[in-house]
Amino acid sequence: NAGVMQNPRHLVRRRGQEARLRCSPMKGHSHVYWYRQLPEEGLKFMVYLQKENIIDESGMPKERFSAEFPKEGPSILRIQQVVRGDSAAYFCASSPLVTTSTDTQYFGPGTRLTVL
Amino acid sequence: DQQVKQNSPSLSVQEGRISILNCDYTNSMFDYFLWYKKYPAEGPTFLISISSIKDKNEDGRFTVFLNKSAKHLSLHIVPSQPGDSAVYFCAASEDTDKLIFGTGTRLQVFP
Repeated sequence: NAGVMQNPRHLVRRRGQEARLRCSPMKGHSHVYWYRQLPEEGLKFMVYLQKENIIDESGMPKERFSAEFPKEGPSILRIQQVVRGDSAAYFCASSPLVTTSTDTQYFGPGTRLTVL
Repeated sequence: DQQVKQNSPSLSVQEGRISILNCDYTNSMFDYFLWYKKYPAEGPTFLISISSIKDKNEDGRFTVFLNKSAKHLSLHIVPSQPGDSAVYFCAASEDTDKLIFGTGTRLQVFP
């Protein structure tokens, strides 16, 4: 039973380019969360998605960032016109269909984005 | 506004002794609390959790205690092992929503 998969593991972009980060949840999980960790900080929530729906995007910057979780395929976090401040580790987590208040989120290995 | 706080950035413990990691929170609506362990260049690994209806949960060497009146939880690791050396994050959620993380405590277990 594979865990949460993220690719690429490392991504280097120049300022102004686009970054696309992919996340495949654990088998049987239908909820995906994206978090960002800046150097020397904790993880900060960005967005929560179910298949074809954005449930909560309260942590997402208003501009340049978007996320999707299509019916088929991985969830994508897209950052347009990257700036140096976007350099961070981006983690994806998944959880199963929510039926109680005790569904744990399981994390992928992260994508480390470096903006030159 | 830091809703989940880990006030000790680092902790050093001798192998075999108890490690106690602390976490405070401000939002009384949080109903689920988790501890994650993180090694460099890896994603957080789930360790143990506790629902707000309980005050203690134990899993092997790991025990989490919750004091709702003080809005405080702690993770006890006993006995500590060198492989436990990592950064530990406390996290909380309200009604199965997003996780709010603390800033982490770096635990070092020395021989």
